[in-house]
Amino acid sequence: DARVTQTPRHKVTEMGQEVTMRCQPILGHNTVFWYRQTMMQGLELLAYFRNRAPLDDSGMPKDRFSAEMPDATLATLKIQPSEPRDSAVYFCASGSGAQGISNEQFFGPGTRLTVL
Amino acid sequence: AQSVTQLGSHVSVSEGALVLLRCNYSSSVPPYLFWYVQYPNQGLQLLLKYTSAATLVKGINGFEAEFKKSETSFHLTKPSAHMSDAAEYFCAVRGSTGFQKLVFGTGTRLLVSP
Repeated sequence: DARVTQTPRHKVTEMGQEVTMRCQPILGHNTVFWYRQTMMQGLELLAYFRNRAPLDDSGMPKDRFSAEMPDATLATLKIQPSEPRDSAVYFCASGSGAQGISNEQFFGPGTRLTVL
Repeated sequence: AQSVTQLGSHVSVSEGALVLLRCNYSSSVPPYLFWYVQYPNQGLQLLLKYTSAATLVKGINGFEAEFKKSETSFHLTKPSAHMSDAAEYFCAVRGSTGFQKLVFGTGTRLLVSP
């Protein structure tokens, strides 16, 4: 049963600390998306990758957030330094992103981040 | 550019009643449209999608949606609600040309009472 996995599922940290969230996309998927979900803003796209290259990270605060794909089986989202307003659920999704194809995105279970 | 509007942040129905969740879209190119469901403490799961084939699309768990270009709508329906349908539902749109990201609506929480 192929699925997207995310670690950790929950993270509580103090303001100023570095946070790293990890995502393992479904094997064979070449697109990876990072979303943030909050009550106030809903579901926001932070960044996405195709074939490990970042295509768009305009939704991400550049001064503190960074997203990378060290290899095809791992995507990371890092916040340094973290702030209370970063508290949210962060979702990773993967898909097969051929152009013109109605690429379904498969979502992971999310990482619930609380910054105190 | 694409966008979706979901009317009603909350919809309440009784078990066995018709479910209707509204979604209107805006797109500068022919759209692909999606409905996702999110159960508590879980990620989003695809319910159904429209990709320019049949305008009436059937999905999982008895849900269906009809693409109406003249009304720029893609409303989600289910003839008879079940308690297990209680969840948050998201409509999403992307362009059908090239590689384009999904744009999600703000979500509608479906409440089902006995």
